[in-house]
Amino acid sequence: QVQLVQSGAEVKKPGASVKVSCKASGYTFTSYGISWVRQAPGQGLEWMGWISAYNGNTNYAQKLQGRVTMTTDTSTSTAYMELRSLRSDDTAVYYCARGEEYQPGDYWGQGTLVTVSS
Amino acid sequence: DIQMTQSPSTQSASVGDRVTITCRASQSISSSLAWYQHKPGKAPKALMYKASSLESGVPSRFSGSGSGTEFTLTISSLQPDDFATYYCQQYNSYPITFGQGTRLEIK
Repeated sequence: QVQLVQSGAEVKKPGASVKVSCKASGYTFTSYGISWVRQAPGQGLEWMGWISAYNGNTNYAQKLQGRVTMTTDTSTSTAYMELRSLRSDDTAVYYCARGEEYQPGDYWGQGTLVTVSS
Repeated sequence: DIQMTQSPSTQSASVGDRVTITCRASQSISSSLAWYQHKPGKAPKALMYKASSLESGVPSRFSGSGSGTEFTLTISSLQPDDFATYYCQQYNSYPITFGQGTRLEIK
């Protein structure tokens, strides 16, 4: 069965970076892309970007351009999302989701809480 | 960016009720619309794609309709497990955007 398992919760100071992983299993990793979505406390869902696991092509949300990098490691079927220069408003639960480009996410990871606090 | 507006923001309903949630797009998105169910502490669950196609394993009491700018998600007979927050999402163009959510609560 398809599973996306994310790394554990992180606590970071403002200005630091965080790298969240999303390990896929149960399907051919390179046949799909991975989207990243976050939810700040009490807020709705926010799309962060998408990466092709086939060729590494990416598309990032404009507001995160320059601070976010999405990568994949096909040898371990793992996707990564790195966010730099963290601010308090980056505190959120971060989700990965499987999906092709211009397609919705059909399977989602369990979420990773990232807390940014001094 | 395409703005997605859901209504209502909160709805109170009882088990067995028929419930409809509306999602409006600020410009046409054809049928590139998905619906998700989200419960606290859990991953969002995909319910519908292409506006009216049911994801595998989703109960048939869920249905979706619409195209262009107006879409609806209907739950024909609410079950206890259905009380959650529901989000629509357009994937017609980048950036992909979500509605603000509709919280379905027990009356």
